[in-house]
Amino acid sequence: DAGVIQSPRHEVTEMGQEVTLRCKPISGHNSLFWYRQTMMRGLELLIYFNNNVPIDDSGMPEDRFSAKMPNASFSTLKIQPSEPRDSAVYFCASSLGDSYQPQHFGDGTRLSIL
Amino acid sequence: GQQLNQSPQSMFIQEGEDVSMNCTSSSIFNTWLWYKQDPGEGPVLLIALYKAGELTSNGRLTAQFGITRKDSFLNISASIPSDVGIYFCAGQGNTGNQFYFGTGTSLTVIP
Repeated sequence: DAGVIQSPRHEVTEMGQEVTLRCKPISGHNSLFWYRQTMMRGLELLIYFNNNVPIDDSGMPEDRFSAKMPNASFSTLKIQPSEPRDSAVYFCASSLGDSYQPQHFGDGTRLSIL
Repeated sequence: GQQLNQSPQSMFIQEGEDVSMNCTSSSIFNTWLWYKQDPGEGPVLLIALYKAGELTSNGRLTAQFGITRKDSFLNISASIPSDVGIYFCAGQGNTGNQFYFGTGTSLTVIP
């Protein structure tokens, strides 16, 4: 079975540019999570969707970050405009049922903002 | 946010040795998870624990949900080179709906 699929795997862009990260959750999973991982702060939850509806976005750093889930099989995380401090690995995870179920992670997008 | 203290931060062991690591929280959790992350990949779920005192094994890995519900332990027996990676704990409590992750234990196995 296919796991969580993220694209691109790597992204290098200049500051000020718009960045869009994509995620396809595991089929049948109805909860989706976006995380950011850095050496300094570890894994941080950015936003959580349940049945395509954003439930908790308290982890989104600021207005430059936005996330959407237009359908059960696709989500995007957008940064506009990007800044060097946004450089990190961004993970998408999905789970079956509500947020209390174990999450399955994609392989991440390594983002570098120059 | 919630802080999970994971220890040790790093371990260097000889192949064949057993490994123990733990995770502690300042508050009570209802669920504990253990993940392993290899370089360039996402965390992979190893073991999930749902009840205080629960002891669950997955091959050479054994994890326990602490009786106080504020800690969890992971043991790896007879380590092998492919055990190398970063091990994360994650816990979830009554309030909120997110899992909080520990800072990770980096494991190096020397052949």
